[in-house]
Amino acid sequence: GENVEQHPSTLSVQEGDSAVIKCTYSDSASNYFPWYKQELGKRPQLIIDIRSNVGEKKDQRIAVTLNKTAKHFSLHITETQPEDSAVYFCAASLYSSASKIIFGSGTRLSIRP
Amino acid sequence: DTGVSQDPRHKITKRGQNVTFRCDPISEHNRLYWYRQTLGQGPEFLTYFQNEAQLEKSRLLSDRFSAERPKGSFSTLEIQRTEQGDSAMYLCASSPSKGTDTQYFGPGTRLTVL
Repeated sequence: GENVEQHPSTLSVQEGDSAVIKCTYSDSASNYFPWYKQELGKRPQLIIDIRSNVGEKKDQRIAVTLNKTAKHFSLHITETQPEDSAVYFCAASLYSSASKIIFGSGTRLSIRP
Repeated sequence: DTGVSQDPRHKITKRGQNVTFRCDPISEHNRLYWYRQTLGQGPEFLTYFQNEAQLEKSRLLSDRFSAERPKGSFSTLEIQRTEQGDSAMYLCASSPSKGTDTQYFGPGTRLTVL
């Protein structure tokens, strides 16, 4: 079955700097890669997703890149702000089957003022 | 609020007791998922419904766990003979059948087994 590895587990960056979170997946059949943000005590919320027919997607300060050959995908947050502090989860799924999402173990991002 | 709702939000029970959680998906979402999240980990898939049919179950779902979605709308997750290891956040998510694969999560039910 699918396995998603996520690094780093914790990340601290200065406000205004960029943050990068990296993930790898094991099942080459996976073709849908969502990223969720979870604030303390709250539900996971989708922030961006990418499908395997696209190499990069951007939404304001957030971008995701996908390397299908290497089975790597990454989240990039630019111009970080205090409200970006949260736990971020990468995930992988098989789009065509609307199947379960397999999550990484999460990255706790802290933004230093 | 038209999002996914879950009830109760918190449940404290003694070991050996049975508990039942409810999830109300977003209206007209055909797909409903249950996940379990322990502290410091990502959500782990438990089971998935398409309308009233339970299409997939994780090996994490022991025979003490049962889920239903009798009318294809709300779902219940029951844990029998709870164990301390069942303590976790139980998350429900829903997704429409067409147009998007996005899963929308509810606020979760936090279970504490004493």
